[in-house]
Amino acid sequence: SQQGEEDPQALSIQEGENATMNCSYKTSINNLQWYRQNSGRGLVHLILIRSNEREKHSGRLRVTLDTSKKSSSLLITASRAADTASYFCATDAGFYSFGNEKLTFGTGTRLTIIP
Amino acid sequence: DAGVTQSPTHLIKTRGQHVTLRCSPISGHKSVSWYQQVLGQGPQFIFQYYEKEERGRGNFPDRFSARQFPNYSSELNVNALLLGDSALYLCASSLGGLKGDTQYFGPGTRLTVL
Repeated sequence: SQQGEEDPQALSIQEGENATMNCSYKTSINNLQWYRQNSGRGLVHLILIRSNEREKHSGRLRVTLDTSKKSSSLLITASRAADTASYFCATDAGFYSFGNEKLTFGTGTRLTIIP
Repeated sequence: DAGVTQSPTHLIKTRGQHVTLRCSPISGHKSVSWYQQVLGQGPQFIFQYYEKEERGRGNFPDRFSARQFPNYSSELNVNALLLGDSALYLCASSLGGLKGDTQYFGPGTRLTVL
């Protein structure tokens, strides 16, 4: 079963605009990760935010985490055509032990950047 | 450094057949996980292996099995294929430590069952 739900399911914006995607999840987590997927291929890791962090930046990406609301957001600033992809949030809710890192994915947001 | 590699890239099988998918983790990574992604859905966890031992199993039937070799590469086997097994199969590797490590995914194997 899916742990999270991304919102919106699909988003189309003009190149240069900012894109914001949201993720909600159901259980307590250890960390939350965002991934990008182009055309049904492999997942590219974007950023990991731990449960004791509230905000994290990486280049044009900004991720926030609100554990009280069980939600996260991914902001992509100054979007480019190459950002067109599906974006997934994934949560790690397992107990920390060697090798226990099962990820539970949301349903994804399909982002289209219009040149 | 090479990322996670998977083979084959694409595979077409018929119902009832058996399939073996292969994964080589990033050098130094000891944990390998397998995920199934059906079209239009997010990936679903199938198995995780660490130091050649199964550490986690998702809600998949016994037709699915996996193993990890001494060099940390891994195989996913699916027996008695069903049409519903058609999906992208993703392998991910991580260091496998006490903290929630980043998982790095391979390009996937696209399995089509006819």
